[in-house]
Amino acid sequence: DAGVIQSPRHEVTEMGQEVTLRCKPISGHNSLFWYRQTMMRGLELLIYFNNNVPIDDSGMPEDRFSAKMPNASFSTLKIQPSEPRDSAVYFCASSFQRGLTGELFFGEGSRLTVL
Amino acid sequence: QQQVKQSPQSLIVQKGGIPIINCAYENTAFDYFPWYQQFPGKGPALLIAIRPDVSEKKEGRFTISFNKSAKQFSLHIMDSQPGDSATYFCAASEYSNSGYALNFGKGTSLLVTP
Repeated sequence: DAGVIQSPRHEVTEMGQEVTLRCKPISGHNSLFWYRQTMMRGLELLIYFNNNVPIDDSGMPEDRFSAKMPNASFSTLKIQPSEPRDSAVYFCASSFQRGLTGELFFGEGSRLTVL
Repeated sequence: QQQVKQSPQSLIVQKGGIPIINCAYENTAFDYFPWYQQFPGKGPALLIAIRPDVSEKKEGRFTISFNKSAKQFSLHIMDSQPGDSATYFCAASEYSNSGYALNFGKGTSLLVTP
């Protein structure tokens, strides 16, 4: 079975450019998460969706960040304009949450470098 | 702010040793406490998880100890092997009808030497 698929795996861009990260969750999963990983701050939750609806976006750093989930099989995280401090590994994860259960399955991440 | 505090930041043990990683939380509504393991270049993967109605859970060489009154939990790796060298994250979440997200600790980088 295919796991969570993220693209691109690596992105190098210049400050001020728009960056779009993409995620295909595991088929049948009803929840999707975007996390950011840095050495200083570890794994930070940016936003999560349940049944394609954004539930909590309090972790989104600022208005430059936006995320969408137009359907159950696709999500995007957009940064516009990008800044050097956005450099990090961005992970998408999905899960099937029912009651008190729901293991998160992570993609391999998108490493973003903003020059 | 960090809802789950994890220590130590890094750990080096010899093969066969028992590394212990500790986590603490404040939110008493948390009801699910997993540990994730991450190898370089990969996403984290679930290792073992516990709910607050038990004080200990073992899966193979991995054990979670949970102290509800102290709001602390820890991961023990018995007979550690070089292949266990990875970054370990503790996490916690609170269930809600609209789903729940994991709050992760900052991670512990473990190196097991031969």
